[in-house]
Amino acid sequence: GAVVSQHPSRVICKSGTSVKIECRSLDFQATTMFWYRQFPKKSLMLMATSNEGSKATYEQGVEKDKFLINHASLTLSTLTVTSAHPEDSSFYICSASPGQGGEQYFGPGTRLTVT
Amino acid sequence: QKEVEQNSGPLSVPEGAIASLNCTYSDRGSQSFFWYRQYSGKSPELIMFIYSNGDKEDGRFTAQLNKASQYVSLLIRDSQPSDSATYLCAVSPPPGNTGKLIFGQGTTLQVKP
Repeated sequence: GAVVSQHPSRVICKSGTSVKIECRSLDFQATTMFWYRQFPKKSLMLMATSNEGSKATYEQGVEKDKFLINHASLTLSTLTVTSAHPEDSSFYICSASPGQGGEQYFGPGTRLTVT
Repeated sequence: QKEVEQNSGPLSVPEGAIASLNCTYSDRGSQSFFWYRQYSGKSPELIMFIYSNGDKEDGRFTAQLNKASQYVSLLIRDSQPSDSATYLCAVSPPPGNTGKLIFGQGTTLQVKP
């Protein structure tokens, strides 16, 4: 149980275009999902907390107009990187929590390359 | 002071030995504690969680929690080369938070055959 999927697993796009990443909890409902970014050999960095039916909560320094988050249902959250630039190239990972214990289960990640 | 601290390593142990990974946290009101394993190029995988003081064992893994010392550790017995990865300690802040976890920077473990 507690499986989280992400799509796509890898994407290459041109500078200035937008990319949408989907995160799904497959066998549980998640009122809260989280979006992280990780640069090579660096720590996980929490970008935002995605709340079903309400606005996402962004961490300090993360531009909410650039990283659009939508959590339309209890099993789906999407992250859209708008007007992507090469510095946005990174490994984007979502997570979801099925219960009150606080544990998070991670999706397999999306590797974004902006050329 | 970082909220969750880990020695980045690398920690190198021979195959079959016990690997001991340590983590300290700053918020005394923290409630839940997690260990994740992350292989290079992959996303983190939950391997253990612990809520109460003491030890919790699961197969070759033992998590130890000492809330008075604000310390949590992970022991891996009979270490295998396949255990070579980065181990992330994560802490759930006191109730009332959004549910987000605070992660340490991770300790890289190398198990040498």
